[in-house]
Amino acid sequence: AQSVTQLGSHVSVSEGALVLLRCNYSSSVPPYLFWYVQYPNQGLQLLLKYTSAATLVKGINGFEAEFKKSETSFHLTKPSAHMSDAAEYFCAATIIQGAQKLVFGQGTRLTINP
Amino acid sequence: EPEVTQTPSHQVTQMGQEVILRCVPISNHLYFYWYRQILGQKVEFLVSFYNNEISEKSEIFDDQFSVERPDGSNFTLKIRSTKLEDSAMYFCASSLLDSEAFFGQGTRLTVV
Repeated sequence: AQSVTQLGSHVSVSEGALVLLRCNYSSSVPPYLFWYVQYPNQGLQLLLKYTSAATLVKGINGFEAEFKKSETSFHLTKPSAHMSDAAEYFCAATIIQGAQKLVFGQGTRLTINP
Repeated sequence: EPEVTQTPSHQVTQMGQEVILRCVPISNHLYFYWYRQILGQKVEFLVSFYNNEISEKSEIFDDQFSVERPDGSNFTLKIRSTKLEDSAMYFCASSLLDSEAFFGQGTRLTVV
């Protein structure tokens, strides 16, 4: 069975610092992987996705993630945090790209300190 | 930019009552989904819908739940007799074949 684990339910960084949000997956077959962001009182917005092409994926708002099969990881990074990045971030996986039954991690709340 | 819209944004209902959560998916999308997030817990898959029928459902999606696409634009989730544990944020999503899912802003359901 698939599962997604996000290490750290709450991450706090200073403005301008590196953002690193961790995601590990377990799957019997290579999954498709996604990062979604949820701003307060809004829906889930896709940041980026891995679909078995390039292992380093660039997304919106300066975020990127690297798929590492050997580590079963898909960590999300951003070189320099901005106050507007404060939100909840969800890693998700599916083994079927068509009809997507996404399995989500528990979410990581990112706080940016001025 | 096309988006998935959900109504209402917040619904309060009494235990045992029926509720219908409404969604308007993106117009050319083919797959439709409902997910829920109980406060403090993971976002969980409930059901996927394709070609006017359920394509997959989770163990959460029992006989109390049903989905419908009544008129070609709306996609609804009905909970027949709500329980306290149905209180959650419910997200609707839609997608094309082989594309990512686009989510609505959610409906917060509070059962009292």
